[in-house]
Amino acid sequence: SQTIHQWPATLVQPVGSPLSLECTVEGTSNPNLYWYRQAAGRGLQLLFYSVGIGQISSEVPQNLSASRPQDRQFILSSKKLLLSDSGFYLCAWSVPGLAGERDTQYFGPGTRLTVL
Amino acid sequence: AQSVTQLDSQVPVFEEAPVELRCNYSSSVSVYLFWYVQYPNQGLQLLLKYLSGSTLVKGINGFEAEFNKSQTSFHLRKPSVHISDTAEYFCAVSDFFSNDYKLSFGAGTTVTVRA
Repeated sequence: SQTIHQWPATLVQPVGSPLSLECTVEGTSNPNLYWYRQAAGRGLQLLFYSVGIGQISSEVPQNLSASRPQDRQFILSSKKLLLSDSGFYLCAWSVPGLAGERDTQYFGPGTRLTVL
Repeated sequence: AQSVTQLDSQVPVFEEAPVELRCNYSSSVSVYLFWYVQYPNQGLQLLLKYLSGSTLVKGINGFEAEFNKSQTSFHLRKPSVHISDTAEYFCAVSDFFSNDYKLSFGAGTTVTVRA
């Protein structure tokens, strides 16, 4: 069966520091991968998605970036964190293929980021 | 892109009472529909989905949802809730003809079950 891991689970970082969050998926090949953010009192915001190694689509211009160095690894980064980057970051995956099934996303446990 | 409206931001309910969470989406084109649940400090878990076929969809934990194309709605129901159903619930939609594999999420409904 497929599993998705995110780490770290929680992170407290000072403003201006760098960020690296990692997401890995097991048990599937060539998944579509997604990064979302939940800010306090707000819904889910899609940040990036990837349909293959090195293929990243950005949804919101900001000081975050994403990379996919391996098929089942998705990394969210920042060179300098802002206070507004605080939130709950969720990674998700879906299986490319038949319409409908490819739209079904499965989420990881999330990373709680606090920027002070 | 689709927009999704969850009509209730907060739903308080007593244990063993029924609950209905309302979801409407913007477009009348063919869509795929999803409900997710999020427990505190956890990721989202898929409750159920509608891809095609019967408009009444049964999911995990006793939840079900009904797709109504004419009203562009996908309301979630449970006949008898438990304390453990306290969580946030998200409705999501994707377009049948979209090639970007993205979901549009509603703002969420917080369900609080009281004894």
